[in-house]
Amino acid sequence: RKEVEQDPGPFNVPEGATVAFNCTYSNSASQSFFWYRQDCRKEPKLLMSVYSSGNEDGRFTAQLNRASQYISLLIRDSKLSDSATYLCVVPGGYNKLIFGAGTRLAVHP
Amino acid sequence: DAGVIQSPRHEVTEMGQEVTLRCKPISGHDYLFWYRQTMMRGLELLIYFNNNVPIDDSGMPEDRFSAKMPNASFSTLKIQPSEPRDSAVYFCASRQGGGTEAFFGQGTRLTVV
Repeated sequence: RKEVEQDPGPFNVPEGATVAFNCTYSNSASQSFFWYRQDCRKEPKLLMSVYSSGNEDGRFTAQLNRASQYISLLIRDSKLSDSATYLCVVPGGYNKLIFGAGTRLAVHP
Repeated sequence: DAGVIQSPRHEVTEMGQEVTLRCKPISGHDYLFWYRQTMMRGLELLIYFNNNVPIDDSGMPEDRFSAKMPNASFSTLKIQPSEPRDSAVYFCASRQGGGTEAFFGQGTRLTVV
């Protein structure tokens, strides 16, 4: 099993839709998780951290399910500007960061 | 702070040539990561350093690849000899301590012809 797995998409949704991405991981000892956003031909940038209790930042909600070993990202009221690739990040041993392959989101008018 | 700085931004080289990619991490960050990104394989971790010491180089594809971090403010990734399959975007990232986010440089787009 891969250390981190994501559905590559693409997810094609209309403006205003709600969309959710999941990311599964295999290392049960992982503690710190992140969601990054990557625009075309740009570097990945932090979108939000994922806390055990879940966290929300405006239209974005991230949750962690340790029992099933997955993290999720929910985007409400999608905007055209949300179109990007979303990468989940799972810590590996010795503080390394392992990135999923990314889920591509395309929001259309 | 200027963020993570990588050079060059673009590199086109002929097969067999040596390529050196450079990275300056954010000041005060003690972890430095080298990643390679391709459409087929996504973002792969090649090697990472903690306090200038290589911790895990298991992602380095083969002996043609080598990385160094002579001091806290500079790291290089070298490919010798380069091959067309090395064509990719190479990212450097740094972070402060474990558990924190990593900041990426703008990447070096390498094309080997």
